[in-house]
Amino acid sequence: QSVLTQPPSASGTPGQRVTISCSGSSSNIGTNTVNWFQQLPGTAPKLLIYSNNQRPSGVPDRFSGSKSGTSASLAISGLQSEDEADFYCAAWDDSLNGWVFGGGTKLTVL
Amino acid sequence: EVHLVESGGGLVQPGGSLRLSCAASGFTFSSYWMSWVRQAPGKGLEWVANIKQDGSEKYYVDSVKGRFTISRDNAKNSLYLQMNSLRVEDTAVYYCARGGSRNGYWMYWGQGTLVPVSS
Repeated sequence: QSVLTQPPSASGTPGQRVTISCSGSSSNIGTNTVNWFQQLPGTAPKLLIYSNNQRPSGVPDRFSGSKSGTSASLAISGLQSEDEADFYCAAWDDSLNGWVFGGGTKLTVL
Repeated sequence: EVHLVESGGGLVQPGGSLRLSCAASGFTFSSYWMSWVRQAPGKGLEWVANIKQDGSEKYYVDSVKGRFTISRDNAKNSLYLQMNSLRVEDTAVYYCARGGSRNGYWMYWGQGTLVPVSS
């Protein structure tokens, strides 16, 4: 049972917009910033969004992040087949004094 | 270019010990928090431990407290994870990642090293 809650799966067709949610609490998302990671099969995670809504250099602007209260969301617009991957949210938890992850969302491009 | 290369993984019996290393290059190692994150086969990501630039602060996930020790050698640009009293449930790919302070982020990751714990 992960501290941050994500839907286990999401899907969309090419060109569509999909959103992945990440729900937490006042001790993590409610207080600290959220990062999002993309993991392709057999590879290391890749930072997609940091500090709630910032994109590292090289990440397409099709990817965007937002946060409100104790929840965060990752939006992917103009869905492409290469976006098919697992996505994870993460935040520092002040009660646990450590990082917590969501359980991950497997995105399928139909 | 930033590179993080883990080593030291391999099969170990329950109750055994292992020391993972992470060799860093392409950045000023001593200026960054560093972390270990693991992923059990077919499962999600789990943060294991992180350490401040000068080693003065260290944090661990509850499941490894008292068994694992994170350390660093800034002169050698290296991060370590000493793992003792290993359990079957510690079986995972262990990633070294740059960053990990509160409200920070992991911009760079190593390729990971597999630690199977089995008799």
